Amino acid sequence: GQNIDQPTEMTATEGAIVQINCTYQTSGFNGLFWYQQHAGEAPTFLSYNVLDGLEEKGRFSSFLSRSKGYSYLLLKELQMKDSASYLCAVMDSNYQLIWGAGTKLIIKP
Amino acid sequence: ETGVTQTPRHLVMGMTNKKSLKCEQHLGHNAMYWYKQSAKKPLELMFVYSLEERVENNSVPSRFSPECPNSSHLFLHLHTLQPEDSALYLCASSQGGSGADTQYFGPGTRLTVL
Repeated sequence: GQNIDQPTEMTATEGAIVQINCTYQTSGFNGLFWYQQHAGEAPTFLSYNVLDGLEEKGRFSSFLSRSKGYSYLLLKELQMKDSASYLCAVMDSNYQLIWGAGTKLIIKP
Repeated sequence: ETGVTQTPRHLVMGMTNKKSLKCEQHLGHNAMYWYKQSAKKPLELMFVYSLEERVENNSVPSRFSPECPNSSHLFLHLHTLQPEDSALYLCASSQGGSGADTQYFGPGTRLTVL
């Protein structure tokens, strides 16, 4: 079956760096997405990786290793507003998104 | 108005009621989606429409009935729901066509079935 694994919850300190990991096993691969979802709000698109390597976008970076079935989202200079759930999703061979259950990130002052 | 909007934002209904959820996208996209989001579970894809044609129906119970009258609007008609149907229902849209599309989400309807 298809499976996406990510930690349920993480805690980090304001101003620090945190890495949220995602491992996947899917039927085919057409890219990996990261979304941010604040409580009670819409998931918002953060990044898309289809080739191996690191994509940097301001304070957020996303890494992909297709051979290892692994990605991470790196958040630098954490701010209180970064407290949210982070969703990892892989697009399979049918171009359907397979979702992880999300990682709830708690930022402490 | 921009992006993807959903109404109502909150809905409480009894098991014998009939209600509808509405989604509207202002992005000029050709594909629209309904998802169910339950606490601590992955998003569950319910329905996909591409150019107003249903292209995906992931074994969703018949008490959920989608309707896509045009490429900007999507409805989810609800009848005789069960308490386990209580969840956040998210609508999304994407450019559509072939290839990897980024999906853009609405804020969701928080549904409670009593």
